[in-house]
Amino acid sequence: GAVVSQHPSRVICKSGTSVKIECRSLDFQATTMFWYRQFPKQSLMLMATSNEGSKATYEQGVEKDKFLINHASLTLSTLTVTSAHPEDSSFYICSARDHTGGGYEQYFGPGTRLTVT
Amino acid sequence: TQLLEQSPQFLSIQEGENLTVYCNSSSVFSSLQWYRQEPGEGPVLLVTVVTGGEVKKLKRLTFQFGDARKDSSLHITAAQPGDTGLYLCAGAEGSNYKLTFGKGTLLTVNP
Repeated sequence: GAVVSQHPSRVICKSGTSVKIECRSLDFQATTMFWYRQFPKQSLMLMATSNEGSKATYEQGVEKDKFLINHASLTLSTLTVTSAHPEDSSFYICSARDHTGGGYEQYFGPGTRLTVT
Repeated sequence: TQLLEQSPQFLSIQEGENLTVYCNSSSVFSSLQWYRQEPGEGPVLLVTVVTGGEVKKLKRLTFQFGDARKDSSLHITAAQPGDTGLYLCAGAEGSNYKLTFGKGTLLTVNP
């Protein structure tokens, strides 16, 4: 149980284009999902909290117009990197919280490696 | 935002040795999770500790939550090369369920 998938696993795009990353909870419902960014050999940096049916809450310093988040259902959240630049290249990871469990555990997707050329 | 200090940041040991990773904070956490991450993959939950003084064991891994719920440790006995990875502690913040992550400990176990 508690499986989270991400798609795509790897994506290469040209500078100036937009990229959409999907995060799905496969066997549970998640009212709350989280999007993280991770640089090599470093810890996870929380970008935003995605809430089903409402606007995402962004962390300080994260541009909401650049990183668009949509949490349209209890099993799907998407992150769109708009007008991507090489500095947006990173490992993006989502996580989901099983709200029926009542606990704080987050279950992570396998990550998406974004390379902007 | 609560801060979580994790140490050591890097650890390279020989197979069979024991090791301990520490997470410390000046703030109290509702719960604390330990994750293990391999390169190119997402973190995998190892354990959640909730009660002050709690000790949990997972095979050769022993997790402890401090009495005041401000610190935690992960002890690995007789480390194996398969234990190699990035170990992350994360503390839960209040009702919004956000996790504050430590900087991670990159463990390398050499055969």
